[in-house]
Amino acid sequence: ELKVEQNPLFLSMQEGKNYTIYCNYSTTSDRLYWYRQDPGKSLESLFVLLSNGAVKQEGRLMASLDTKARLSTLHITAAVHDLSATYFCAVDSNYQLIWGAGTKLIIKP
Amino acid sequence: DTGVSQDPRHKITKRGQNVTFRCDPISEHNRLYWYRQTLGQGPEFLTYFQNEAQLEKSRLLSDRFSAERPKGSFSTLEIQRTEQGDSAMYLCASRARWEQFFGPGTRLTVL
Repeated sequence: ELKVEQNPLFLSMQEGKNYTIYCNYSTTSDRLYWYRQDPGKSLESLFVLLSNGAVKQEGRLMASLDTKARLSTLHITAAVHDLSATYFCAVDSNYQLIWGAGTKLIIKP
Repeated sequence: DTGVSQDPRHKITKRGQNVTFRCDPISEHNRLYWYRQTLGQGPEFLTYFQNEAQLEKSRLLSDRFSAERPKGSFSTLEIQRTEQGDSAMYLCASRARWEQFFGPGTRLTVL
């Protein structure tokens, strides 16, 4: 059974700091996704990582994928308050996505 | 708006009643997914369609849940004899190739 683990599950940080969210998964997959969710809202796609070594960046967020280590990271650079949200990683397993529990990120001014 | 739409956005019902939700995917997407999400959790897979065919249904899904996608376009998710444990956000997503795009969700409250 494919399992996806995120850590940390909760992160409170100051604006301007850097931090990394980790996503580990338990079986082979070449496709990993990062989503953002604001409170009471639906899921917004951030990154689609389709191969080993894939790196994608959008603004202050950068995601990478190491399929051999079964690890993806979401790096936040110089955090700003607007990035406060819950971030989910999900791994493609045939017909469905298997989701991590989410990382709730709070960025304080 | 060419994104995924869901209706209704909110539904309050009494225990034992039946409810039906609708999802309209992005028009060129042939794959459609239903998920359920409770507070503080990640989405939980419910079922998956490719065109009109329902290809997979979660083993966790009670027989009270049924989904259809007639003609491979919109989809409906029905919950019969609702229970308080069914209270959740029900999310629909559609997919053309790799990426799943989510609708705004239907928030169900069972009293």
